[in-house]
Amino acid sequence: GENVEQHPSTLSVQEGDSAVIKCTYSDSASNYFPWYKQELGKRPQLIIDIRSNVGEKKDQRIAVTLNKTAKHFSLHITETQPEDSAVYFCAASIQKAGTALIFGKGTTLSVSS
Amino acid sequence: KAGVTQTPRYLIKTRGQQVTLSCSPISGHRSVSWYQQTPGQGLQFLFEYFSETQRNKGNFPGRFSGRQFSNSRSEMNVSTLELGDSALYLCASSGGTGTSNTEAFFGQGTRLTVV
Repeated sequence: GENVEQHPSTLSVQEGDSAVIKCTYSDSASNYFPWYKQELGKRPQLIIDIRSNVGEKKDQRIAVTLNKTAKHFSLHITETQPEDSAVYFCAASIQKAGTALIFGKGTTLSVSS
Repeated sequence: KAGVTQTPRYLIKTRGQQVTLSCSPISGHRSVSWYQQTPGQGLQFLFEYFSETQRNKGNFPGRFSGRQFSNSRSEMNVSTLELGDSALYLCASSGGTGTSNTEAFFGQGTRLTVV
């Protein structure tokens, strides 16, 4: 079945450093790749997403890159701040529309000041 | 605009019982999915409903079932509860025409504890 691998599972950085989280997906039919941030005790919230016809997307300090050939996509956070500390999940769509997503197991990012 | 609402927020059930969880999507959203979140396994896809039809199903046993009503509200049911069913159950809804992926908005979840 569909699978999404996410690495690393934990990541500790100093404030101001960059953080990179990488994911690999198995289903070549996946065409939508969102990233969610979940703070302790809260619901997951979308921070950025990318579609299969785009190679890179940026929103202020956050960027996502997609390599469809290799089935890899990555999240890049620059100039990290303590409030970036959270669990980050990557996901890949199961089909071309809707809310059916396969999630990676998450990366716990800790930003120390 | 109200967000995705899940009820109840917390539930404690005994092994062998059954439970029904409810999810009210954002007004106008027709796609609703359910996820099980546990510390070891992350977010696992249960099933997705669109316009009252189950469109996708994850790898969970038949004890897990769901349905969607004409107003897009969805329920999921777990029968013959096991200790391993203890988890946070999240639902997500999205809008759009049903032909392309759009942002999935999550509810705050229902914390189920099986004792």
